[in-house]
Amino acid sequence: GAVVSQHPSWVICKSGTSVKIECRSLDFQATTMFWYRQFPKQSLMLMATSNEGSKATYEQGVEKDKFLINHASLTLSTLTVTSAHPEDSSFYICSAQTSGSRNEQFFGPGTRLTVL
Amino acid sequence: AQSVTQPDIHITVSEGASLELRCNYSYGATPYLFWYVQSPGQGLQLLLKYFSGDTLVQGIKGFEAEFKRSQSSFNLRKPSVHWSDAAEYFCAVGAGSSASKIIFGSGTRLSIRP
Repeated sequence: GAVVSQHPSWVICKSGTSVKIECRSLDFQATTMFWYRQFPKQSLMLMATSNEGSKATYEQGVEKDKFLINHASLTLSTLTVTSAHPEDSSFYICSAQTSGSRNEQFFGPGTRLTVL
Repeated sequence: AQSVTQPDIHITVSEGASLELRCNYSYGATPYLFWYVQSPGQGLQLLLKYFSGDTLVQGIKGFEAEFKRSQSSFNLRKPSVHWSDAAEYFCAVGAGSSASKIIFGSGTRLSIRP
C-alpha cells in the first residue's frame, strides 16, 4: 500500500513551453501533497504544499506563477511549469500524506525535466 | 530555523562491514526525525522514523538509528552492509506548525566495496 506515482517519468521540452507533471496516490486518499525539486547530487528542496481543494502554499523564493499547482482531488495533484527555461531543468518529486499518517510522507519516483 | 546536517558527502565501506551515517539536526522542540534512502530510478523510501519513546529505532532492511537529544544527533547504523545498500541516504526533520513539512539534509552517498 501507500503507492505514489508520477507521470511522466521524464520529459524534454523546448524553452518557452509549459509542462504538466501529475502526481497520484494510487491506494489512499492524500489530504496533503508536497512538491520538491532536486538538483543533481543535491538534496530535496520543498517547493510547495497543497491541500485538496485549496490554494497551494509556496515556499519562500518559489514563483507561484511559474510553478502552478492544482490539487483537485484527494488522489491527484499536478505541477505545471509554465514558460519553462533551461534553468528549470531538474528532478521534480511529489509526496503524499494522509491525515492520520503521523506526518509520514509517501514519495513518488520523480520526474526528470530537461528544458532545451 | 530547523535544519539538518549530514557531514559526510560520500562514504565507501566494504561489503559485510558495519556502517554509521551521521546526522545532526537543529530544532527547537522534540523533533520528528526520518531517514530515507534513494536509489537510482526509484522514489525515496522511508527506512525509519522517530517521533517519541524509545530512542533506539529499528527500521527496514536491518537499519537502526539512535536519537541523542544531548548531541542533537540521529545517526543511522547497520551492522553488516550488503552491495544492494549502495544508494543515497537522506536524514530529515519534520518542521512547521504540525511538523508536516520535511526538511532534508544534503544526503550521504554510500558506495560498497566488493
